[in-house]
Amino acid sequence: QKEVEQDPGPLSVPEGAIVSLNCTYSNSAFQYFMWYRQYSRKGPELLMYTYSSGNKEDGRFTAQVDKSSKYISLFIRDSQPSDSATYLCAMSSGGSYIPTFGRGTSLIVHP
Amino acid sequence: GAVVSQHPSRVICKSGTSVKIECRSLDFQATTMFWYRQFPKQSLMLMATSNEGSKATYEQGVEKDKFLINHASLTLSTLTVTSAHPEDSSFYICSATRGSDGYTFGSGTRLTVV
Repeated sequence: QKEVEQDPGPLSVPEGAIVSLNCTYSNSAFQYFMWYRQYSRKGPELLMYTYSSGNKEDGRFTAQVDKSSKYISLFIRDSQPSDSATYLCAMSSGGSYIPTFGRGTSLIVHP
Repeated sequence: GAVVSQHPSRVICKSGTSVKIECRSLDFQATTMFWYRQFPKQSLMLMATSNEGSKATYEQGVEKDKFLINHASLTLSTLTVTSAHPEDSSFYICSATRGSDGYTFGSGTRLTVV
């Protein structure tokens, strides 16, 4: 079992839909959780950064962490075609800042 | 915000030659820089971690004599792919961190070895 599991998709939704992206993990030491967006042939850019459990909202994006279930989610409201990209989850323990990445979920938002 | 510049964005080289990729943190001093390799539709694979002024720490299975990393200053790290072969063709990405506030990635370098 990989430390971080993420469905590669692709996930195809119509414009305006609510998108739910998820990752599960096995290492209970993970404390920091991140979501990155990666456009084709570009480096990943940080979208959300959370510590421990709970919710964090930033505009149309909401990150949720459920440490008891070892499950994290990223919700995108009112999705736009410009949101079409690969979304990678990443997480790290408190003792080490080197993150472990999921393989990424490809999202396609069609007009 | 933190910005990391990576050059070149794309390079094509002949088999047997060496290629150097630069990674610069433009508006902050990076305590640590990382080099990743990414295959199509795959996750980021950490190759090595480098700290300024010290030798890089390579992940298991990564040939340190083939992938030379130099971290000359707090704002510059370079990855040199020596004696490149077609199987080294990939997308290479660097990232930098100041500490506990996340990682900033460069825009990546697509290397094609012909």
